[in-house]
Amino acid sequence: EAGVAQSPRYKIIEKRQSVAFWCNPISGHATLYWYQQILGQGPKLLIQFQNNGVVDDSQLPKDRFSAERLKGVDSTLKIQPAKLEDSAVYLCASSLVAGGNTGELFFGEGSRLTVL
Amino acid sequence: GQNIDQPTEMTATEGAIVQINCTYQTSGFNGLFWYQQHAGEAPTFLSYNVLDGLEEKGRFSSFLSRSKGYSYLLLKELQMKDSASYLCAVKTNAGKSTFGDGTTLTVKP
Repeated sequence: EAGVAQSPRYKIIEKRQSVAFWCNPISGHATLYWYQQILGQGPKLLIQFQNNGVVDDSQLPKDRFSAERLKGVDSTLKIQPAKLEDSAVYLCASSLVAGGNTGELFFGEGSRLTVL
Repeated sequence: GQNIDQPTEMTATEGAIVQINCTYQTSGFNGLFWYQQHAGEAPTFLSYNVLDGLEEKGRFSSFLSRSKGYSYLLLKELQMKDSASYLCAVKTNAGKSTFGDGTTLTVKP
């Protein structure tokens, strides 16, 4: 079974530029999450999708961050314009929502963003 | 909101036992996860507790007390490869998982 795919793995941009990250979840996983992990901290939830609907985006800085999951499968996360404090690893995760399932998260390898 | 506390760092010796604690405050509790994260890698699932008690899985065990808002991860027969960050995460009824900042475990020979 293929895991969660993310790209790009690394991205270096200057502040005020834009960047986009892509995620393909595990087949059949209805729930998709974007987390931001700053060095030395735990992952912080940015947005949670259930199929192509947003369940929780309360911690997404909507003035600069946007995310979509148009067909309920792949998702993109965009930052425009980037700030220095956006330097982090952006983790995409998916989970299977089914009766009796724990709802554990399966993470992709992450996209490491450096903003100069 | 949710508040999750775990120690920042721990050190233990190869072959020993170590217990990593996690305390939490949340509404709509629907389970607690432990994940392992090696440096530069993504977190991977270790254990899940939703009822009080101990769940054992090989060298790793996890305990939950819902009334106390407390969990621990117990690692036995420590190996060098167990050096990693251990993340406690609380799941709510909405399916949202909130993570603590992790405990960095260093296993020494």
